[in-house]
Amino acid sequence: QVQLQQWGAGLLKPSETLSLTCAVYGGSFSGYYWSWIRQSPGKGLEWIGQIDHSGSTNYNPSLKSRVTISIDASKNQFSLRLTSVAAADTAVYYCARKTTVTKSFQSWGQGTLVTVSS
Amino acid sequence: AIQMTQSPSSLSASVGDRVTITCRASQGIRNDLGWYQQKPGKAPKLLIYAASSLQGGVPSRFSGSGSDTDFTLTISSLQPEDSATYYCLQDYIYPPTFGQGTKVEVK
Repeated sequence: QVQLQQWGAGLLKPSETLSLTCAVYGGSFSGYYWSWIRQSPGKGLEWIGQIDHSGSTNYNPSLKSRVTISIDASKNQFSLRLTSVAAADTAVYYCARKTTVTKSFQSWGQGTLVTVSS
Repeated sequence: AIQMTQSPSSLSASVGDRVTITCRASQGIRNDLGWYQQKPGKAPKLLIYAASSLQGGVPSRFSGSGSDTDFTLTISSLQPEDSATYYCLQDYIYPPTFGQGTKVEVK
């Protein structure tokens, strides 16, 4: 049974860079899309982007200019960077595994609350 | 981006009731739709994928139907542990987009 465990800084100031990492335990890294999703009271659930084992990425156009998702297959980890954060980026951030065939998010990390405040 | 509109936004029903939640897409999405259940402080949990396929381990009282633009999640006999917020998600066209959620209260 795959498990996703995520970590990263929970409190940022405006204009700083958000950085989160998600480790994958107990499953293959290939054959899936590794995704980041966030949830805020104001905007609900929002897909941020994804990466596959080869490093191919897709990003939400609303965030594309500020987002980078990277992968370290040797460590079974993938990461999210979001630059120039503002209060509107305050949210719970989740990492998740999406199957390529059914296009469903079957496994999720525990979530990380990131607060942006001066 | 495709907009997903769920209704109702909230409902309250009794144990044993049949509950239906609908999700409408702003354009056709074939059957590339999933349903997720989220309880407070927890990550969403996959219930249904490909509009009508039950995820392993999910109770059979949950079912999904629909295609193109109109979809339904049905709980055939509501249980106390079904108190949660339910979301639909389309993944037909990038970016994947979620509905705004339906909060289900069990009386």
